[in-house]
Amino acid sequence: NAGVTQTPKFQVLKTGQSMTLQCAQDMNHEYMSWYRQDPGMGLRLIHYSVGAGITDQGEVPNGYNVSRSTTEDFPLRLLSAAPSQTSVYFCASSYSTGPQNEQFFGPGTRLTVL
Amino acid sequence: KQEVTQIPAALSVPEGENLVLNCSFTDSAIYNLQWFRQDPGKGLTSLLLIQSSQREQTSGRLNASLDKSSGRSTLYIAASQPGDSATYLCAVENYGQNFVFGPGTRLSVLP
Repeated sequence: NAGVTQTPKFQVLKTGQSMTLQCAQDMNHEYMSWYRQDPGMGLRLIHYSVGAGITDQGEVPNGYNVSRSTTEDFPLRLLSAAPSQTSVYFCASSYSTGPQNEQFFGPGTRLTVL
Repeated sequence: KQEVTQIPAALSVPEGENLVLNCSFTDSAIYNLQWFRQDPGKGLTSLLLIQSSQREQTSGRLNASLDKSSGRSTLYIAASQPGDSATYLCAVENYGQNFVFGPGTRLSVLP
C-alpha cells in the first residue's frame, strides 16, 4: 500500500492564480480531509468528506473548494491564491468515524503564494 | 467548540530520561484521542490511538493514558533517545466526524 499520497510536494504561485492539490489513498478509506499547518496555529481543518459525493466545510474553508467523485481521490482547489494561503497542506484519511478510527496523513504540500 | 492544548510547548532533556507530555481538551464528547509524531518538514506519523472507553495504550517505550472526564491525556516516553526528537501532537475526534489538533510539543533529546 502506498498509503496517502500528495502532489506536488512544493509549489510557488502568484497572487490570483489557481491550482489543484492532489490527494489519493489506496486503503479504501471513507473519510478524507484537508488541513493546513501554520506556525503557531497548529493544524486546522479546511474541508472533509465522509464518502464519495459528500463533502463539508471545516474550520477554515474560505478560498478553497473540494470534490469527492471517487473513494480514492480528494483534490483541493485554490480558486484565486492569496498570500494568506501560504502554508503547508496535509491530506489525511481514515476508515470511517468512531472510537477505533485512526487517521493517516500524507507527506504534505508546501505552498508559497507571492 | 473543542479546544486542545499541549504543555509544555517545548522540552529539552538529556538522553535516557523518562518524560511526560501533556494534552488537554475542553469537550469530553470524543470518540478517541490520537498521538502523532512529526519530524521537521515531514508529515504526521500515528503513534497511539486511545478509544474513549480505554484508559491507556502502549507501544514499545511509549505509553499514553486518557482521562476523558477530566479532559486530559499524557504521553509517557521511557528511556528517551536522540531519535525521539520531534514534535508531538495530540488530536481528538469529536462526535460529528471531525478532528481537532493541539499545537504540539517540540522535544529535543540531547546525546
